Amino acid sequence: QLTQSPSSLSASVGDRVTITCRASQGLTSYLAWYQQKPGKAPKLLIYAASTLQSGVPSRFSGSGSGTDFTLTISSLQPEDFATYYCQQLNNYPLTFGGGTKVEI
Amino acid sequence: EVQLVESGGGLVQPGGSLRLSCAASGFTFSTYYMNWVRQAPGKGLEWVSYISSGGSTIYYADSVKGRFTISRDNAKSSLYLQMNSLRDDDTAVYYCARARSGSYSDFDYWGQGTLVIVSS
Repeated sequence: QLTQSPSSLSASVGDRVTITCRASQGLTSYLAWYQQKPGKAPKLLIYAASTLQSGVPSRFSGSGSGTDFTLTISSLQPEDFATYYCQQLNNYPLTFGGGTKVEI
Repeated sequence: EVQLVESGGGLVQPGGSLRLSCAASGFTFSTYYMNWVRQAPGKGLEWVSYISSGGSTIYYADSVKGRFTISRDNAKSSLYLQMNSLRDDDTAVYYCARARSGSYSDFDYWGQGTLVIVSS
């Protein structure tokens, strides 16, 4: 089970934003982060807990291992307002966190 | 360019069946593991099913086990999801998604989704 926090947050352009994902059991580094905008498919941001997917801006970063993981947006941009999900890939059934909605 | 295009969604009565398809292009489909993920209206993402590149290994979420069947036709670069005994809570947008690397891998490409509504 994955628990994301917060479930929502309000932030301004330029803010540093941190989203956490806690697993009920150790995942080593089998964790990914996705961004989803309304009406669109999710987009892969980070895989293996901290590896930036090709084409994703460097303001996004991931860290953590074991049970505690973090997604950080160093300087929030207007296009970053979206919902973010973590996903564990350590075992089946694969599971997603509940999501974090980042609002203005 | 990698493309995944789902089709087959629609309105179906509870207890009914539906078959979703996902047409892949822009990559060697037969070498990639594939998944179905769904999202109920206003809710989060739920992984549904996984199939290995050759189709020999399959996993399902407990919520669909025994009712849904995943399959693939590598000659047609297509992924399928046969959904039987549909329930109201199967209402969702269904996405097909490519596993980036291996069986315990994140999903690097997603389709646009197809909406399934289960209602009488």
